[in-house]
Amino acid sequence: TQLLEQSPQFLSIQEGENLTVYCNSSSVFSSLQWYRQEPGEGPVLLVTVVTGGEVKKLKRLTFQFGDARKDSSLHITAAQPGDTGLYLCAGAGTGGFKTIFGAGTRLFVKA
Amino acid sequence: DTGVSQNPRHKITKRGQNVTFRCDPISEHNRLYWYRQTLGQGPEFLTYFQNEAQLEKSRLLSDRFSAERPKGSFSTLEIQRTEQGDSAMYLCASSLGDSRQPQHFGDGTRLSIL
Repeated sequence: TQLLEQSPQFLSIQEGENLTVYCNSSSVFSSLQWYRQEPGEGPVLLVTVVTGGEVKKLKRLTFQFGDARKDSSLHITAAQPGDTGLYLCAGAGTGGFKTIFGAGTRLFVKA
Repeated sequence: DTGVSQNPRHKITKRGQNVTFRCDPISEHNRLYWYRQTLGQGPEFLTYFQNEAQLEKSRLLSDRFSAERPKGSFSTLEIQRTEQGDSAMYLCASSLGDSRQPQHFGDGTRLSIL
């Protein structure tokens, strides 16, 4: 069974601080997505990474896919209150169609 | 708005009643997924369609659950004889092509069983 473990589960920081969220698995994924979800809404796609070692930047967010395509990280620089939300990673397996989601990291950025 | 649309947004019903949710995917997307999400958890896969064919169902999908996508466009998810444990957010997503393509989600239907 493929599992994605996210850490930390909860993070509360001050505006302006940097943070890193991790997504780990013992399984290889053909691609990995990061989503952000706000209360009462569906997840919104932030990025897809497909190549081992790939790094993608989206403004203050930096995403990295591990060399072995088993793990990923999301780094946020100078966090803002608008970054508050649930960050989910999701992996697509190499052999099938199913996408597996982690339980998420709930981020709260205080002004 | 050409995103994924789900109706209703909220459903409150008594235990034992049947409920049906609808999902309209992004029009050119051939894949459609249903997920269930409970508080503090990520979405859990329920079932998946490629065009009108239902290709996989999770063990979470008991025989009280049925999903259809009759013309390969919109989809419905029905829960019969609802139970307290069915209370959750039911999310629909759609995508193009293979599993490496990202899924685009609707805002979900929140089901509350009294």
